Amino acid sequence: EAGVTQSPTHLIKTRGQQATLRCSPISGHTSVYWYQQALGLGLQFLLWYDEGEERNRGNFPPRFSGRQFPNYSSELNVNALELEDSALYLCASYRDRNKNIQYFGAGTRLSVL
Amino acid sequence: DAKTTQPNSMESNEEEPVHLPCNHSTISGTDYIHWYRQLPSQGPEYVIHGLTSNVNNRMASLAIAEDRKSSTLILHRATLRDAAVYYCILRDVGNNDMRFGAGTRLTVKP
Repeated sequence: EAGVTQSPTHLIKTRGQQATLRCSPISGHTSVYWYQQALGLGLQFLLWYDEGEERNRGNFPPRFSGRQFPNYSSELNVNALELEDSALYLCASYRDRNKNIQYFGAGTRLSVL
Repeated sequence: DAKTTQPNSMESNEEEPVHLPCNHSTISGTDYIHWYRQLPSQGPEYVIHGLTSNVNNRMASLAIAEDRKSSTLILHRATLRDAAVYYCILRDVGNNDMRFGAGTRLTVKP
């Protein structure tokens, strides 16, 4: 069974540009979480999608947005990139909402120059 | 939001037990306690979770205080592969929020 896959592995952008990060959950998982992990820090919750709907979002500005597709894969978009957006972006999926055991991808390292 | 407090770092010797503490004094009755760990250059991986009773699985044990204001993750015999950042998280069963803190960096010495 394939795990959570994220693409690209690395992404280099300049200030003001837009970045698109992609996530494919484990087959059968319908929920996707997005997290931001700045260097040396813990994970900050970004977005939660379940059955195609945004269920919750963390304390991030509106230029962080995303969507979940009918096949449950997900996309995170970051507009008007700022230097402090440089971080590892992690995606996680789960199947059982009652347990919420999350399975993480290896992440996308976004560097904003 | 309920929050957790963990020591920044801990050290252990290989093949000795490790007790990783977590304080969550504002936990609510519907919050589950989850533990994840993050090995270098990897995404976090699930370790264990519980609500009120102590829990055991093949990776670790979770001891939950009677008042639920603290918990301890127990690794029975630490190996070098257990060196990681360990996160204690409270999950609100209502909105499924998972709020990670800074975690505890565990160093295992041979």
